[in-house]
Amino acid sequence: EIVLTQSPGTLSLSPGERATLSCRASQSVSSSYLAWYQQKPGQAPRLLIYGASSRATGIPDRFSGSGSGTDFILTISRLEPEDFAVYYCQQYDSSPPGYTFGQGTKLEIK
Amino acid sequence: VQLLESGGGLVQPGGSLRLSCAASGFTFSTYAMHWVRQAPGKGLEWVSGIGTTAAAYYADSVKGRFTISRDNSKYTLYLHMSSLGAEDTAIYYCVCRQAGTRQFDPWGQGTLVTVSS
Repeated sequence: EIVLTQSPGTLSLSPGERATLSCRASQSVSSSYLAWYQQKPGQAPRLLIYGASSRATGIPDRFSGSGSGTDFILTISRLEPEDFAVYYCQQYDSSPPGYTFGQGTKLEIK
Repeated sequence: VQLLESGGGLVQPGGSLRLSCAASGFTFSTYAMHWVRQAPGKGLEWVSGIGTTAAAYYADSVKGRFTISRDNSKYTLYLHMSSLGAEDTAIYYCVCRQAGTRQFDPWGQGTLVTVSS
């Protein structure tokens, strides 16, 4: 089973700053199968990025994804107050078929 | 697109429960459907998925205890859970996966399952 490790566990930044969140896989992951989600307190997760770098419908362009192989990055170029939330990466493995999530990065206001 | 889960509640250890997810706003039969859960204060865990041809697959943690099914005529997804333990306490989210993709979008609001005596 592929394990996704996200870092840091908590990131403290101020509005207007740049956020860089990391997701590292225990073995190579197809870029097509790497996604990022945002979850705010009391809400369901929301898809942000799929295919490692494609923004989902309605997602602002301050969110971007990059990476390949075992190392993937979610970047938020200029933090808005509504961006403070928990972020998860997710991958699909075909053998055996299944999905795994990282443990999450909490982005909090400094 | 709307996904509305129901059927959660309090159940005793060893008990059973069936969750439902009513879908609307899209052609249900053309989407794979999944359940993802989140224990209180914890991260996300994929539980089970069912494809458009009704092929089903499960996380090791629930294999043999949970059964996923779908009724395309009713636009409804189900999760039958048995031999429940405290470790199954979580919010259970119903999620869509478009055929040919590997991401989940959108998500329902979830239903809480609490396993406790």
